[in-house]
Amino acid sequence: NAGVTQTPKFRVLKTGQSMTLLCAQDMNHEYMYWYRQDPGMGLRLIHYSVGEGTTAKGEVPDGYNVSRLKKQNFLLGLESAAPSQTSVYFCASSRLAGALLAKNIQYFGAGTRLSVL
Amino acid sequence: ELKVEQNPLFLSMQEGKNYTIYCNYSTTSDRLYWYRQDPGKSLESLFVLLSNGAVKQEGRLMASLDTKARLSTLHITAAVHDLSATYFCAVDLYGGGTSYGKLTFGQGTILTVHP
Repeated sequence: NAGVTQTPKFRVLKTGQSMTLLCAQDMNHEYMYWYRQDPGMGLRLIHYSVGEGTTAKGEVPDGYNVSRLKKQNFLLGLESAAPSQTSVYFCASSRLAGALLAKNIQYFGAGTRLSVL
Repeated sequence: ELKVEQNPLFLSMQEGKNYTIYCNYSTTSDRLYWYRQDPGKSLESLFVLLSNGAVKQEGRLMASLDTKARLSTLHITAAVHDLSATYFCAVDLYGGGTSYGKLTFGQGTILTVHP
């Protein structure tokens, strides 16, 4: 009954450090997404993936890279963290998108709270 | 560029009162979602609205969609404390093509229900 699991839950980085956030889903979903949530701005899409081995840029991709080597995992990397990347990061997955009348509900993980000092 | 705007951004209500949250979006879409987020928690899907005139109800919450006006509403009836949370609307630019399910979110409405 895990759904979407994100690790770690909290992290503090120094400017210039790198890290990888892991998202794992056990629902056999094709589509996966990374969002960041900042106060007063809702959620903004960073990168997304429509299947194993494919990734694409979202609204705010600069400073981030992603990989989807396995269908169930979607990794978000920060190569050189900056204070502007202090945020809460959410991963989501959905079963299918694009199909007529498909509900395409996205299921979210619990979030990773990242502070960059 | 799709823009999604919610109002109000902050809503303080008394228990038992009714109120409506509005979600306006800038580009034609026929797929709109409402999510709830409790403090420090993840987002939980509330409603999916897939066509013009769609209305969904769950307990004290009712959501509707008017695609011609590019407007969705989330109506709260006889509010109770347990409804205190942040509510987001999100729009999928499906529009007949494939948007890969990408969502554009509103800013969120922070709802606080007081005794």
